[in-house]
Amino acid sequence: KAGVTQTPRYLIKTRGQQVTLSCSPISGHRSVSWYQQTPGQGLQFLFEYFSETQRNKGNFPGRFSGRQFSNSRSEMNVSTLELGDSALYLCASSLGAELNYGYTFGSGTRLTVV
Amino acid sequence: AQSVTQLDSHVSVSEGTPVLLRCNYSSSYSPSLFWYVQHPNKGLQLLLKYTSAATLVKGINGFEAEFKKSETSFHLTKPSAHMSDAAEYFCVVSGPEYGNKLVFGAGTILRVKS
Repeated sequence: KAGVTQTPRYLIKTRGQQVTLSCSPISGHRSVSWYQQTPGQGLQFLFEYFSETQRNKGNFPGRFSGRQFSNSRSEMNVSTLELGDSALYLCASSLGAELNYGYTFGSGTRLTVV
Repeated sequence: AQSVTQLDSHVSVSEGTPVLLRCNYSSSYSPSLFWYVQHPNKGLQLLLKYTSAATLVKGINGFEAEFKKSETSFHLTKPSAHMSDAAEYFCVVSGPEYGNKLVFGAGTILRVKS
């Protein structure tokens, strides 16, 4: 059974550009969450989607956005990139909306902004 | 106020000796608690989860954790460390008071000496 797939694995962008990251959840999983991991701030929640609806959003500026498609695949977009956006972005999928299902994480996309 | 505190940023053990990674949480309700492991340049793997069932939770790779409400602790243990256990470990809390999102501790880096 395929795991959570994130593409691309590595990305280098220039300040001011925008970027789109993709996440394909485990087949049958309807919940997708995104997290940002940096050495200084650790792991921080970005947003969660369930059945194409954003259910939850973290404390990030509006430059960070996301969406989920009918096949549960999700994308996140960061516009007007800043140096501080350099991070490992992790996607997690879950079977349902309840916490006791647990989350399966992908390997992440490492974004470097120069 | 911090929601989850991992009491040690680094732990070093010898191969074959017990592992103890400490975690304290703050919650007004009965939370959901998780331990995740992250190997270098990899995503997060779920070790175990507590969701109001048995207080002693057994996970993968010989790890287990005990939920102690009176001490607000959820320490991770393993009887005998293996070299492959060297990684970063995250204690995670969630529940309705956290908007049902995962809130991560700062992480504990486990070093295993041969």
